[in-house]
Amino acid sequence: RKEVEQDPGPFNVPEGATVAFNCTYSNSASQSFFWYRQDCRKEPKLLMSVYSSGNEDGRFTAQLNRASQYISLLIRDSKLSDSATYLCVVTAITNAGKSTFGDGTTLTVKP
Amino acid sequence: EAGVTQFPSHSVIEKGQTVTLRCDPISGHDNLYWYRRVMGKEIKFLLHFVKESKQDESGMPNNRFLAERTGGTYSTLKVQPAELEDSGVYFCASSQNRADTQYFGPGTRLTVL
Repeated sequence: RKEVEQDPGPFNVPEGATVAFNCTYSNSASQSFFWYRQDCRKEPKLLMSVYSSGNEDGRFTAQLNRASQYISLLIRDSKLSDSATYLCVVTAITNAGKSTFGDGTTLTVKP
Repeated sequence: EAGVTQFPSHSVIEKGQTVTLRCDPISGHDNLYWYRRVMGKEIKFLLHFVKESKQDESGMPNNRFLAERTGGTYSTLKVQPAELEDSGVYFCASSQNRADTQYFGPGTRLTVL
């Protein structure tokens, strides 16, 4: 079993749709959680950090459930520019801060 | 503020040759990480420096890979001799503290023929 598992995707949605991505992690010592966005042939870029209290940034909402070791990302009112691969990233202090990546979930927003 | 930079952006070499990748982290970031994404796989950790010291090199695939960070500034990753399975995109990332947000460089796309 992988340390970080994401919805396999791909997700193809129309503009304006709401879409949710899920991610589970196996290391209970995980401390920091992030969603990164990666455009085709580009580097991963931080989308948002994820906290137990949940956090929202415009159309994006991230949630963390430590008990279930589960992270989610909700995108509301999808835009064409949201098309990308979304990476769930987990960091555990016990792993010297190295990050473990999920495979990524690809989203395509269509007109 | 300048981001993480990597050089070269692309490298095409033949099997058996040597290639050296360079990463310049964000100024002031003590933590520097190397990651690799091979075709069809997830991004995987290679190693982690804190300043000039190797903190964790558990992800280095074999002894053909050598990473250095002399002086605790930029880092190099040398592959010698390169094999076909080394092809992929090599990302460097840096952070101020462990478990902080890691900022990624644009990557070096390595193709071994």
